[in-house]
Amino acid sequence: ETGVTQTPRHLVMGMTNKKSLKCEQHLGHNAMYWYKQSAKKPLELMFVYNFKEQTENNSVPSRFSPECPNSSHLFLHLHTLQPEDSALYLCASSQLLAGAYNEQFFGPGTRLTVL
Amino acid sequence: KQEVTQIPAALSVPEGENLVLNCSFTDSAIYNLQWFRQDPGKGLTSLLLIQSSQREQTSGRLNASLDKSSGRSTLYIAASQPGDSATYLCAVGSARQLTFGSGTQLTVLP
Repeated sequence: ETGVTQTPRHLVMGMTNKKSLKCEQHLGHNAMYWYKQSAKKPLELMFVYNFKEQTENNSVPSRFSPECPNSSHLFLHLHTLQPEDSALYLCASSQLLAGAYNEQFFGPGTRLTVL
Repeated sequence: KQEVTQIPAALSVPEGENLVLNCSFTDSAIYNLQWFRQDPGKGLTSLLLIQSSQREQTSGRLNASLDKSSGRSTLYIAASQPGDSATYLCAVGSARQLTFGSGTQLTVLP
């Protein structure tokens, strides 16, 4: 595997389900991100992890729970979602250099549908 | 708060044409600017990264310029091909995150 991978690629879930999205980066980076892309809206940053520590949480509802066990893996745990949470969820990684994040590389995304 | 605007929202051109996509941003205190390509239902592919100290970057038929003082970047695509059809996204980087524009949906007609 190369680059940034995400599983599953598609997910359909009911509002009472619990599911998890997985992201893995094979680039040796030390920062990872979750983004949400809804129809007709710009990408929205959800969370940033730097060396496994969460550094940004852009007012994301608590029904989204991120987990970063190491610098290569990032999870997004989902529970009691709403239909408006249906979107493409994208994971990205980059290298933190001199206190700033460098070029970001994206995975293929998980298309989530909440019924 | 950084705001990024891309014009036009959609563009349709015949094959072989040279074209320019525009990106403007409100806060000139940026670290870098990144151009991406997104095919329908897919993730983002990084095309070019311009650091704040640079004026332009080139890769093949693509050239991106950056004018921080005026808050603008352009992506120039030479000799467009049908395979260039996609949505092109501009993202402005602060120290902590990228702020994305809404994109320009490009269609290159054979």
